[in-house]
Amino acid sequence: QSALTQPASVSGSPGQSITLSCTGSSNDVGYFDQVSWYQQRPGKAPELMIYRVTNRPSGVSNRFSGSKSGNTASLTISGLQAEDEADYYCSSYTSTNTVVFGGGTKLTVL
Amino acid sequence: QAQLQESGPGLVKPSETLSLTCAVPDGSITDYYWSWIRQPPGKGLEWIGYIYYSGNTNYNPSLKSRVTISIDTSKKQISLKLSSVTAADTAIYYCARDHDWGSFDFWGQGTLVTASS
Repeated sequence: QSALTQPASVSGSPGQSITLSCTGSSNDVGYFDQVSWYQQRPGKAPELMIYRVTNRPSGVSNRFSGSKSGNTASLTISGLQAEDEADYYCSSYTSTNTVVFGGGTKLTVL
Repeated sequence: QAQLQESGPGLVKPSETLSLTCAVPDGSITDYYWSWIRQPPGKGLEWIGYIYYSGNTNYNPSLKSRVTISIDTSKKQISLKLSSVTAADTAIYYCARDHDWGSFDFWGQGTLVTASS
């Protein structure tokens, strides 16, 4: 299985909205609505931010939102804050009942 | 909420077998699927495989020939064995709870395993 494709880096200024993309195939992202997003700060385990494309776990800020179109999923962070600076990973359940991750995007808050 | 706790040797010789365990802090071990996920230093996440308390497993095709994941519900532990390790298997290894079809809501702190002689 091939890793999902994410841009290596994205940057934005405080207060801005930014969108991270995650491109897969008809065997994963496009297969059904089981895309998740994770935030990982240096030296820490990943933290679930979005599941089932659009759902936020309890405690996650509503500044984080997810969407999907075809084989591409997106994570939008609105009202960017310094604390949002981290690595972000997408993942998808696949048609063969496995899980595939993206390569990760490093978000820099300018 | 108590964390998942990975444990095992931090150093494994090339060609030998990596063995890790993950302690589940409560009785939820029979309620969820459990996965192992790894992350080479400075690189991205890679899913290794999952297990359910019934023994149902599935593995990453790229690792399938070398991986075994098992579960002991009485000890509330999940185990990972990866055989014939090479330097490419050097990574932080995480166990994680799958709460919704490949969505991991609860992670251990991770344990670094280095494959080196």
